[in-house]
Amino acid sequence: EAGVTQFPSHSVIEKGQTVTLRCDPISGHDNLYWYRRVMGKEIKFLLHFVKESKQDESGMPNNRFLAERTGGTYSTLKVQPAELEDSGVYFCASSYEDTQIRKETQYFGPGTRLLVL
Amino acid sequence: QKEVEQNSGPLSVPEGAIASLNCTYSDRGSQSFFWYRQYSGKSPELIMFIYSNGDKEDGRFTAQLNKASQYVSLLIRDSQPSDSATYLCAVIRNSGGSNYKLTFGKGTLLTVNP
Repeated sequence: EAGVTQFPSHSVIEKGQTVTLRCDPISGHDNLYWYRRVMGKEIKFLLHFVKESKQDESGMPNNRFLAERTGGTYSTLKVQPAELEDSGVYFCASSYEDTQIRKETQYFGPGTRLLVL
Repeated sequence: QKEVEQNSGPLSVPEGAIASLNCTYSDRGSQSFFWYRQYSGKSPELIMFIYSNGDKEDGRFTAQLNKASQYVSLLIRDSQPSDSATYLCAVIRNSGGSNYKLTFGKGTLLTVNP
């Protein structure tokens, strides 16, 4: 079974540019989460999809961030325009949507390392 | 007060020793508790979860939960150099619905010396 994949692995952009991160969850996982870790801080929740619907986007920093999940499969996270403080590692995680244990067992992707200069 | 607190370390133990990692959480509504291991530059990997007070053992790993003290710990017996990683404590509040977002601590860096 393939794991969660993320693309790109690294991205270096200039302030004001746009970047789009992609996450492909494990096949069959209806839950998809985005998290972010900025340097020196803990991993923090950004938002949660159940299939194509946003369940909770309370962790999104501001309206420069836009997440989508087309057809309930892969998800994209767009940052437009990027600011210096957006630098960090963006993780995607996915889980099943059936039993409580499987809902809570989140599998993480390798992350996208974003550097905004 | 941080929602989930961990000693950042580094925690250094000799090979074969017991490594003890600790975590406290502030939200008494937290219901599920997780330990993730993260090697440098890699994704967090779930190694243990615990829901009930007491101990839960899986191989060399034992998770301990004390909800009254709002305390979770992870013991690693017979520590190996390959256990050297950052260990992340995470909790889920599960306030309803189907959002099981994880709240993480900053992690404890463990180094096991040969």
